[in-house]
Amino acid sequence: KAGVTQTPRYLIKTRGQQVTLSCSPISGHRSVSWYQQTPGQGLQFLFEYFSETQRNKGNFPGRFSGRQFSNSRSEMNVSTLELGDSALYLCASSLGRSGTQYFGPGTRLLVL
Amino acid sequence: SQKIEQNSEALNIQEGKTATLTCNYTNYSPAYLQWYRQDPGRGPVFLLLIRENEKEKRKERLKVTFDTTLKQSLFHITASQPADSATYLCALVSGGGADGLTFGKGTHLIIQP
Repeated sequence: KAGVTQTPRYLIKTRGQQVTLSCSPISGHRSVSWYQQTPGQGLQFLFEYFSETQRNKGNFPGRFSGRQFSNSRSEMNVSTLELGDSALYLCASSLGRSGTQYFGPGTRLLVL
Repeated sequence: SQKIEQNSEALNIQEGKTATLTCNYTNYSPAYLQWYRQDPGRGPVFLLLIRENEKEKRKERLKVTFDTTLKQSLFHITASQPADSATYLCALVSGGGADGLTFGKGTHLIIQP
């Protein structure tokens, strides 16, 4: 089976812009979770989608949003980018909610 | 407040010895705990899962213990090899899974030849 794929792999944006990241889960996985990873804060949970519905949400501002499509693919959007949003954004899929996470390679976002 | 603590300092172990990593938590009632490995520039990779009613789990050279009284999990790598050098993350699932996974910040393990 193909693993989790994320696009793009690298992205450079400027403050105030918005960005959309994409994630394709492992075939058959219905849950997709998003995480932000920074050296200082580690891996922080953003949100989880299951069957096109957001099931869990971490402690992030409303500028961070996401959605899941009927084929389980997911997108994450960050609006009004801030310098502090520079991070590695990881997507993970699992069979069920909060199950074993299979991570993609991540999208490295740099905000200038 | 809820906390997951892993040793933030790098752990240096000589090749062939057993490496032991610690994951402590407070104010959680985890249903299960997972361990992941992360190499630089890559996403974490799942290694082992242990449930609250299990004391120990093994997989090849890996062993995980889970003590809900001490609120601690230990992760052991026996006969360590330089290829085992990576960052190891523990993750908790509580609330019956309704609250999602919470990760520790990880411990960087270095196996020296």
